[in-house]
Amino acid sequence: AQTVTQSQPEMSVQEAETVTLSCTYDTSESDYYLFWYKQPPSRQMILVIRQEAYKQQNATENRFSVNFQKAAKSFSLKISDSQLGDAAMYFCAYRFPRKGNKLVFGAGTILRVKS
Amino acid sequence: DGGITQSPKYLFRKEGQNVTLSCEQNLNHDAMYWYRQDPGQGLRLIYYSQIVNDFQKGDIAEGYSVSREKKESFPLTVTSAQKNPTAFYLCASSITLVGGELFFGEGSRLTVL
Repeated sequence: AQTVTQSQPEMSVQEAETVTLSCTYDTSESDYYLFWYKQPPSRQMILVIRQEAYKQQNATENRFSVNFQKAAKSFSLKISDSQLGDAAMYFCAYRFPRKGNKLVFGAGTILRVKS
Repeated sequence: DGGITQSPKYLFRKEGQNVTLSCEQNLNHDAMYWYRQDPGQGLRLIYYSQIVNDFQKGDIAEGYSVSREKKESFPLTVTSAQKNPTAFYLCASSITLVGGELFFGEGSRLTVL
């Protein structure tokens, strides 16, 4: 079974500092996609970043970057220069390359940003 | 503007009643999905559809039903057979190309009284 595990239910970071959110997954596939989504208090799901498994280079989107370790099945999210607006629930997700391209989510990590 | 519209935003239902949540998209996406979110848990897949008139069960389909008669619409019915229906429901859509991101609606909060 394919599962996604986020081991940190809650994290805190000081404004302007860096924080890393952890995610591991289990799959028997060799080609797949991984995502980080952000859910602020409005509950609107927002895509943060996407990683293709066949790419060795880690994805980066402005202050957000990932550390993708395919052999270890690890996909952590690093947020640099944290801002108050980064406070949200963050979900790691794995997308099946087949089976309707469905997305499986982890349980989420609540990120609190202190001013 | 293109997007996904879910309605109603809040819904109350008495036990034993069926209720239908609406999901409409104007993104011209072929695939649509329904997820359930409970406190402290991630999103769990209820049903998904890759094409009109076809849909598949997700991980927690029991007590739910869907239809896909039009590309733009993917309504979810929460039946009386669903033992614990109080939850936040999210609809999403995507292109069918592998790796395409999911776009989400704003969600519907269902409370069973």
